[in-house]
Amino acid sequence: QVQLQESGPGLVKPLQTLSLTCLVHGDSMTNTDYFWTWLRQPPGEGLEWIGYISHSGSAFYTPSLESRLSMSVDASRKSFSLTLKSVTAADTAVYYCARARVRAISCSLAGCERTNWFDPWGQGTLVTVSS
Amino acid sequence: DIQMTQSPSSLSASVGDRVSITCRASQTIATYLNWYQQKPGEAPKLLISAASNLQSGAPPRFSGSRSGTEFTLTVSSLQAEDSASYYCQQSYRSPYTFGQGTKVEIK
Repeated sequence: QVQLQESGPGLVKPLQTLSLTCLVHGDSMTNTDYFWTWLRQPPGEGLEWIGYISHSGSAFYTPSLESRLSMSVDASRKSFSLTLKSVTAADTAVYYCARARVRAISCSLAGCERTNWFDPWGQGTLVTVSS
Repeated sequence: DIQMTQSPSSLSASVGDRVSITCRASQTIATYLNWYQQKPGEAPKLLISAASNLQSGAPPRFSGSRSGTEFTLTVSSLQAEDSASYYCQQSYRSPYTFGQGTKVEIK
């Protein structure tokens, strides 16, 4: 049974960097059918896909965060990480890691469009941006 | 970005009722639509993938369907444990976007 667990600071000051790690249990992280995903949910609000990364390190980000965002993966340590720079109060949210099952829909010279579903999810970690 | 519009935003129904939640995409997404259930204080859980594929372990009273760009999650006989928020998610084109959610309460 695959389980994911987020870790990181619960409080980050404005304009500083948010760093989170997700530990993966029960998966080798080397299967090309899965990408490793970050999502978030502001308190009382809906869900937002942040981005995901393959086991080989190919990362795909949501455009609204791309300029501040980076992800990395370390399959040998069964973990992947998120770094978000210059945070503001708008980045306050519960951050979830999840495994994405991916499948190519179409491919071109520019790359592949992939469909996906997120399962399972970690329990989530609340990150508050405040001075 | 593809916009996902869910309705209603909330509903209240009795145990045994048939309940439907609708999600409309702003453009065609074929069948690339997933449904998640989120109970208070918990992480979302995948219920249905690709519009109508019920996940292993999910109760068979849940079903999903598609008509063009409109998708429906149906609970055939609502149970007390179905009290939760439900979210749709399009997986057709990045960024992968969610509906705003539907909160289901038991009368």
